[in-house]
Amino acid sequence: AQSVTQLDSHVSVSEGTPVLLRCNYSSSYSPSLFWYVQHPNKGLQLLLKYTSAATLVKGINGFEAEFKKSETSFHLTKPSAHMSDAAEYFCVVSETLSFQKLVFGTGTRLLVSP
Amino acid sequence: GAVVSQHPSRVICKSGTSVKIECRSLDFQATTMFWYRQFPKKSLMLMATSNEGSKATYEQGVEKDKFLINHASLTLSTLTVTSAHPEDSSFYICSARVRERVQETQYFGPGTRLLVL
Repeated sequence: AQSVTQLDSHVSVSEGTPVLLRCNYSSSYSPSLFWYVQHPNKGLQLLLKYTSAATLVKGINGFEAEFKKSETSFHLTKPSAHMSDAAEYFCVVSETLSFQKLVFGTGTRLLVSP
Repeated sequence: GAVVSQHPSRVICKSGTSVKIECRSLDFQATTMFWYRQFPKKSLMLMATSNEGSKATYEQGVEKDKFLINHASLTLSTLTVTSAHPEDSSFYICSARVRERVQETQYFGPGTRLLVL
């Protein structure tokens, strides 16, 4: 069975400072991992995805994530936060090749202050 | 990227009535679409998997007679909430699956906010 743990329900940063959103996963097989962002009252937008290629994945809006199998982690980072980054972020896992349903983490709300 | 639309974006209805929500893949064909429900400040809960030309597969605890799903074409899936009650009020989000080589990605619609009075 797969699962995702997002370690922080809320993360607060100042504009211009680095962002780190933590995610740990559990999967019996080779996982596909995703980060989605949701702005208030909006649907989900795909930020980036890992599917067993390069372990460092670059996404949109300056975000990137690194797949670390030894730590079962897939943390999301951004060097410099922007006010528009304030949103809810979901870490998601599914099994590669034998595609199964997406399993969502509980989400991390990113707050960006001026 | 692939674009998924939903209609309506917001709907208010009276208790006991039925509401239909449409999910469309705009620039690609989707043999499989998914319906999720999201409660306030909560994560997404998968309700059902919609397969074109066949019956939907419902997750445990989801009433299939209450949440009717139809996937009549490769670009359209509909969710009908029948005999709606206030507890059905929620944010409903659909997604469509795109197969890209050995990898599959889900692209999400903007969601539909349902309020049942």
